[in-house]
Parts: sequence; C-alpha cells; structure tokens
Amino acid sequence: GAVVSQHPSWVICKSGTSVKIECRSLDFQATTMFWYRQFPKQSLMLMATSNEGSKATYEQGVEKDKFLINHASLTLSTLTVTSAHPEDSSFYICSASVRLRGQGDEQYFGPGTRLTVT
Amino acid sequence: AQRVTQPEKLLSVFKGAPVELKCNYSYSGSPELFWYVQYSRQRLQLLLRHISRESIKGFTADLNKGETSFHLKKPFAQEEDSAMYYCALRGSGYQKVTFGIGTKLQVIP
Repeated sequence: GAVVSQHPSWVICKSGTSVKIECRSLDFQATTMFWYRQFPKQSLMLMATSNEGSKATYEQGVEKDKFLINHASLTLSTLTVTSAHPEDSSFYICSASVRLRGQGDEQYFGPGTRLTVT
Repeated sequence: AQRVTQPEKLLSVFKGAPVELKCNYSYSGSPELFWYVQYSRQRLQLLLRHISRESIKGFTADLNKGETSFHLKKPFAQEEDSAMYYCALRGSGYQKVTFGIGTKLQVIP
C-alpha cells in the first residue's frame, strides 16, 4: 500500500527558533498533501492543503506566515514552524492524497511529528 | 459548514459483545463518510468508506441520510479491535476531510 513518511518523528526546540518537518510519499506521487495538528485528546484539525507547484490553502485561523508550507515536488511537502513558541507544541500529521478510480480520493497518513517548544 | 460528532470519547465492551461506535454529521449536500482507525503507536489508517459498502475486519457502517448518521458496528468485539476510531466527512467536490473527535474503543478480555 501507499506509504507516507515524516521526518523528524519528534523534535524539541527552543522558543524563537524555526523547525522544518518533512512529509514524503514513498511509493507514489501525490498532487495534494494535507497538514494537520492534533492536541492531546483532541481530533485532527486541518491546517492547510498543499498542492504541488502552487501556494498552500490555509484554514481559517492558521497563520500562513508562521506555518510555511512548501510543496516542491510530487513526493515532498514541508511545514516550517517559524519563531516557535510553547503554544506551538503539538503533534503534526501530514497526509497525501491519491485519486482512486471510481472511488474518489483516499488519504494516506504519515506517522506524525511531535514538536515540543521549550 | 461540515461537522462530525462522535458523542462517546470512550467505549468499553467485553470481548464477544457487539460494538457500535456512533457518528453523526452535519452537511447540506451529499457527503462522503469514512471511518479511520489508529491502533496504539501506529499511524491513522482508513478502515472503511461508505461508498465501498464493504466489511473490513468484521466492521460495517451504513450511511443513514435521514438520521445523518454513519455508525460503525461489529457483532462480536475482539481484543485487537481496541484502538481510537475517527469518523470523517468529505463534502462533495472538496478534498478537505473533517474529522470527529474520536472514540477510544476498549475491548475487555
């Protein structure tokens, strides 16, 4: 099946620094990738939709200048958390979308990245 | 707006007992409904989708448009079914998927 990887799996950074998280589709090409954020005991909240070669579409309330998304190729999307603060500490999950014949799109999820900002 | 409601955060059942995980949705058009599962220390994965009308690992879910529900059912729970289950909705013509808060299923041996 389709595999999506994320790197790093966990990261600790100091307040004010920037962190980049990579999302890769390993055995398929994904024209669309999604970035989610999950707080403890809460659901996945969509942050942005990333389309290859174009600007990401951000959900309401998500600061695009703080969460920079780059979808440089059909297999790689990156999320950069700029000037991180402790409240940015969360679990970040990406997914890659594949179009299935006659069944619409299916999303395959990465394992997530745990970000802790001290 | 699209919204997914899972009223139970935790559902505990004994092994062999029937399971029903509730999901209600709010959407004005014709949605696609999904159930995702996340086993301990594993990534989120698709369990089933309403358009497939199939049974996966003994689970089934029927879309009831009148009640705007998509409850997940299994006649006999097994210990390996213990996991987090998320109901999700995608609006027609959109790629965005909205997730419910999730229900933790605990199967007691």
